[in-house]
Amino acid sequence: AQKVTQAQTEISVVEKEDVTLDCVYETRDTTYYLFWYKQPPSGELVFLIRRNSFDEQNEISGRYSWNFQKSTSSFNFTITASQVVDSAVYFCALRGNAGNMLTFGGGTRLMVKP
Amino acid sequence: DVKVTQSSRYLVKRTGEKVFLECVQDMDHENMFWYRQDPGLGLRLIYFSYDVKMKEKGDIPEGYSVSREKKERFSLILESASTNQTSMYLCASSSHIAGLKTQYFGPGTRLLVL
Repeated sequence: AQKVTQAQTEISVVEKEDVTLDCVYETRDTTYYLFWYKQPPSGELVFLIRRNSFDEQNEISGRYSWNFQKSTSSFNFTITASQVVDSAVYFCALRGNAGNMLTFGGGTRLMVKP
Repeated sequence: DVKVTQSSRYLVKRTGEKVFLECVQDMDHENMFWYRQDPGLGLRLIYFSYDVKMKEKGDIPEGYSVSREKKERFSLILESASTNQTSMYLCASSSHIAGLKTQYFGPGTRLLVL
């Protein structure tokens, strides 16, 4: 069985602070895919990133960066110099190699205050 | 750009009514999904379809049915709506090609059953 845990249900920061959202996963698959989605107040889930299990290189996209560590089964997401527009619920998700279905974490609500 | 649309953003129905939620995608994706999202429970998969007229039950199919008569359209049906089906419903689609299975989501439908 697969499981994704986002232990932080809510985080509140002040604009320009850096913030890290944690994601820990469990799977028996040797090949799998990890995802992050953003859900702004409008409701739509916006795809942010996908990583393969065999690619542990960290990724940076503007103010966003992701740290994938297989040894600790974690795929953490950092926002540098946070902005009010970053306020949203962020979901981490996992998909096994052969399957089509995603297993989602419970989500982390990020509030960035001006 | 992938586009997934849902027929309604907000819907109010009465207990016992039959409810249809429609989802359309324009990317010729084989896979389509219906999720519900509830506070504290994250996203849970209701049904999944991997081809026209094909479907698989997800984690919480009870009380729901689906229809996929055309590749681009996936309908979720509540045969007799109940108050515990008040929720946010999200549709998603993805390719079935390995490496291209990222799910893209629609804007969601907030359903209130009175």
